[in-house]
Amino acid sequence: QVQLVQSGDEVKKPGSSVKVSCKVSGGTLSSYVISWVRQAPGQGLEWMGGVMPMFGTSKYPQKFQGRVTITADKSTSAAYMELTSLRSEDTAVYFCAKKGNSGSLDYWGQGTLVTVSS
Amino acid sequence: DIQLTQSPSFLSASVGDRVTITCRASQGISSYLAWYQQKPGQAPKLLIYAASTLQSGVPSRFSGSGSGTEFTLTISSLQPEDFATYYCQQLNSYLSITFGQGTRLEIK
Repeated sequence: QVQLVQSGDEVKKPGSSVKVSCKVSGGTLSSYVISWVRQAPGQGLEWMGGVMPMFGTSKYPQKFQGRVTITADKSTSAAYMELTSLRSEDTAVYFCAKKGNSGSLDYWGQGTLVTVSS
Repeated sequence: DIQLTQSPSFLSASVGDRVTITCRASQGISSYLAWYQQKPGQAPKLLIYAASTLQSGVPSRFSGSGSGTEFTLTISSLQPEDFATYYCQQLNSYLSITFGQGTRLEIK
């Protein structure tokens, strides 16, 4: 059974960076595509990008280009999402998820709350 | 970018009702559409992929249909545990993902 376990909640200052991890077990990270999705309080789901560990390539939507970096470490079977230049609007729960059939996201991490506050 | 618009945004229904949620894409996406259920404080749960294929373990009262630009999620007989928020999601040919804005389903 595939499991994605994320790192703990974070509190950050505006202008700083955060790096959230997502450890994958029950399968081989290099054969997966891992996406990151965030959800601001009371809001919907927003895709932040994804990584293909087999090829070491990542893809990001225009909104997050230059501010987010998604990587994967096959040796630790973990994916990472780093977001820089944090502002209050980045306060959200951040989820990692594994790509399933036909572009769906079939397994999800438990979520990591990132709070940006001075 | 492909936009997904769900309707309605809010739905009030009773246990046993049949409900339908619609997701419209701004351009054709073939059948690369998925549906999720999310309850407060939880991660989204995949219900349907490829527009109409039920994910393993999901009750058969959930069904999906559509292709191209219009898709529907139907719950044939609402159960108490079905009251949640539902999202559609697509993956386009450029490997970018977008979500609909969500439909909140509440008990009448």
